[in-house]
Amino acid sequence: QSVLTQPPSASGTPGQRVTISCSGSRSNIGINLVYWYQQLPGTAPKLLISRTDQRPSGVPDRFSGSKSGTSASLAISGLRSGDEADYFCASWDDRLSAVVFGGGTKLTVL
Amino acid sequence: EIQLVESGGGSVQPGRSLRLSCTASGFTFDDYAMHWVRQAPGRGLEWVSGISWSSSAVGYADSVKGRFTISRDNARNSLFLQMNSLRHEDTALYYCTKGELGPWNRAFFESWGQGTQVTVSS
Repeated sequence: QSVLTQPPSASGTPGQRVTISCSGSRSNIGINLVYWYQQLPGTAPKLLISRTDQRPSGVPDRFSGSKSGTSASLAISGLRSGDEADYFCASWDDRLSAVVFGGGTKLTVL
Repeated sequence: EIQLVESGGGSVQPGRSLRLSCTASGFTFDDYAMHWVRQAPGRGLEWVSGISWSSSAVGYADSVKGRFTISRDNARNSLFLQMNSLRHEDTALYYCTKGELGPWNRAFFESWGQGTQVTVSS
């Protein structure tokens, strides 16, 4: 059971906008930064969104992050087949003194 | 180009030990926090341990606390994970990751190695 809760799956058609949620608590998302990682099949994860809503260099502006209270979201617009991947949210948890991850969301492009 | 190359994985029996290593290049190693993150087969990501640039601060997941020890050698641009009393549930691909410039207690993993496989089986 992951400390951060994500839906196990999400899907959309090419060109569509998809949102993936990440629910936490006051000790993690509520007071700390959120990060999102994309893991393409058979590869190492890649930093997709940093510090809740910032895109590292090279990440298209189709990807965006946000936070409200104890929940965070990753939005992907203009969906492409190459976006099929597992997406993980993560944050620092002050109560656990540890990094916590969501269980991951498998995105399928129909 | 930033490179993180893990080594030291393998197949061991429960209760035995392994020492993972990670050699870094392409950045000023002793400026950055470093972490180990693992992924069990078909499962999600799990943070294992992190260490500050100076080794003055370290942290562990509850699942490995008391059994694993993280360390680094800045002169050799290397990160280590000593894993003792290994359990079946420690079976995973272990990734070495580059953390923050400064604070180590963030879920910021900017660069990842390709991972080294650890299998614990009797």
